Amino acid sequence: QSVLTQPPSVSAAPGQKVTISCSGSNSNIGNNYVSWFQQLPETAPRLLIYENDKRPSGIPDRFSASKSGTSATLDITGLQTGDEADYYCVTWDNSLRGKVFGGGTELTVL
Amino acid sequence: EVQLVESGGGLVQPGGSLRLSCAASGFTFSTFAMNWVRQAPGKGLEWVSSMTSSGDYIYSAESVKGRFTISRDNAKNSLYLQMNSLRAEDTALYYCVRETWNQRGLDYWGQGTLVTVSS
Repeated sequence: QSVLTQPPSVSAAPGQKVTISCSGSNSNIGNNYVSWFQQLPETAPRLLIYENDKRPSGIPDRFSASKSGTSATLDITGLQTGDEADYYCVTWDNSLRGKVFGGGTELTVL
Repeated sequence: EVQLVESGGGLVQPGGSLRLSCAASGFTFSTFAMNWVRQAPGKGLEWVSSMTSSGDYIYSAESVKGRFTISRDNAKNSLYLQMNSLRAEDTALYYCVRETWNQRGLDYWGQGTLVTVSS
């Protein structure tokens, strides 16, 4: 059972938009920065979003994110088959004094 | 280019020990906090342990406290994870992960080294 709650799976058609949620509490998301990672099959995770809503260089603007209260969301627009991957949110937890990951969300582009 | 290369994984019996290493290059290792994150086969990501740049502060997940010890050698640009009293549930791909410069998250990941605990 992960401290951060993500939907196990989401799906949408090519070209469409999908939203992945990440729900936590005041001890984690509510008072700390959230990052998002993409993990393609058989590869190491790649940073998509840092500090709640910032994109590293090289990440397309089709990927965007936001945070409100104790929840964060990742939006992916203009879906491509290459976006099929697992997506994870992560942040620091003040009570646990450690980093916590969401359980991951598997994106299927139909 | 930032590179993190893990090594030291392998097959070990329950109760055994293993030491993982991570060789860092492409950045000033001594100025970045570092982490170990693991992923059991077919499962999600689990943070294991963190160490600040100077080694002053160490944080570890409850699941490994008292058994795993993170350390670093800034002169050798290397991060380590000493794993003792290994259990079957420690079987995972172990990633070396860099903290961002302002310690607000994680950024670069290595390719991982596989640890299998089995008799």
